[in-house]
Amino acid sequence: SAVISQKPSRDICQRGTSLTIQCQVDSQVTMMFWYRQQPGQSLTLIATANQGSEATYESGFVIDKFPISRPNLTFSTLTVSNMSPEDSSIYLCSAGQGLSTDTQYFGPGTRLTVL
Amino acid sequence: AQTVTQSQPEMSVQEAETVTLSCTYDTSENNYYLFWYKQPPSRQMILVIRQEAYKQQNATENRFSVNFQKAAKSFSLKISDSQLGDTAMYFCAFLSGATNKLIFGTGTLLAVQP
Repeated sequence: SAVISQKPSRDICQRGTSLTIQCQVDSQVTMMFWYRQQPGQSLTLIATANQGSEATYESGFVIDKFPISRPNLTFSTLTVSNMSPEDSSIYLCSAGQGLSTDTQYFGPGTRLTVL
Repeated sequence: AQTVTQSQPEMSVQEAETVTLSCTYDTSENNYYLFWYKQPPSRQMILVIRQEAYKQQNATENRFSVNFQKAAKSFSLKISDSQLGDTAMYFCAFLSGATNKLIFGTGTLLAVQP
């Protein structure tokens, strides 16, 4: 399976600031995704990070709030912009294995607390 | 739109016993995949088991097996010989073969008691 790392593992941020979360995969993958897991809740897909083009956002998520970059086949970033306490969540990235699109493996997540 | 339902918010089992977690889903697609993921307190999402919809044979991974009933759209997870390390939140998930999007159920918190 793909090995995925995320940085930072956790952070505490002030309202109105932005945080960029990094996701690194140990091999080239076709598909990368970003999820949000609010406290005590399940995972919700934020967007699909597309290499070489703009990310594809799910309903309820917009690029201005969650800009995503994917400069190559092993790396992606998610920025949480102009944060409010409602953004306090765990943010997880996932990736397929190589060219595979039928299984996703997850990073360890980033726990974000906004004061 | 696809939905995934886990009707058991919490379950408890004694160590070494067997437990079954329920999951149902709704879809009009024929090409899809189903998963069980485990999320222990460390919050790392770990893939437990995977089932292709086109396969009739139920998937098995060591102590973990599924009962996949395609017509009933049911996908339950059986954990045999439960161990303390199995204590975690378990999420059932549906992957659309058309969109590659993963949709999660609300989770079942499993506690294995010594």
